Amino acid sequence: GQQVQQSPASLVLQEGENAELQCNFSTSLNSMQWFYQRPGGSLVSLFYNPSGTKHSGRLTSTTVIKERRSSLHISSSQTTDSGTYLCALDHNAGAKLTFGGGTRLTVRP
Amino acid sequence: AQTIHQWPVAEIKAVGSPLSLGCTIKGKSSPNLYWYWQATGGTLQQLFYSITVGQVESVVQLNLSASRPKDDQFILSTEKLLLSHSGFYLCAWSPLGGGAEQFFGPGTRLTVL
Repeated sequence: GQQVQQSPASLVLQEGENAELQCNFSTSLNSMQWFYQRPGGSLVSLFYNPSGTKHSGRLTSTTVIKERRSSLHISSSQTTDSGTYLCALDHNAGAKLTFGGGTRLTVRP
Repeated sequence: AQTIHQWPVAEIKAVGSPLSLGCTIKGKSSPNLYWYWQATGGTLQQLFYSITVGQVESVVQLNLSASRPKDDQFILSTEKLLLSHSGFYLCAWSPLGGGAEQFFGPGTRLTVL
């Protein structure tokens, strides 16, 4: 089965609402990265988070190794937050990242 | 500061034709290097990684090959393209030693007709 599962697959919000994106994994974790994928395909790195909670502006990433999950919280969503969010699991000390299928976020004005 | 450059930005090629995609990292010596591929609407998956010049490990077989001719250069190639090779190719690097954040290039969009 899939080693990294993201949920929900898609999410539609009104501007100003909060979003909670989940990433669950079935293997051991070395670290977790979160990315925003631009419509053209390039990646913007949001967080490198082996464990615990990290903040960056309106974004918060929390990784709980024991529960094999990581989350990305977006507060006060804006239309410019629309796009695809990817999580990627590093379970082999950096040799390989396994990506989730992504969450497509749409924020309506 | 480290910079990562991929070329070309986009490519349209015929089935059966050869392909060469390139990736260069500046400002970092002896990085680990990676190639990733994403089919349209698909999941990003790692194809190759390299920890040193001349050494490349294959992760997924897609009738592609990779080479690392220089410390700062990673090449993805094939002699005969398939329709299934279409998609988005990303190069990434991480510091030597592994277990660290990976940094991605801008990518190359490949369309095989």
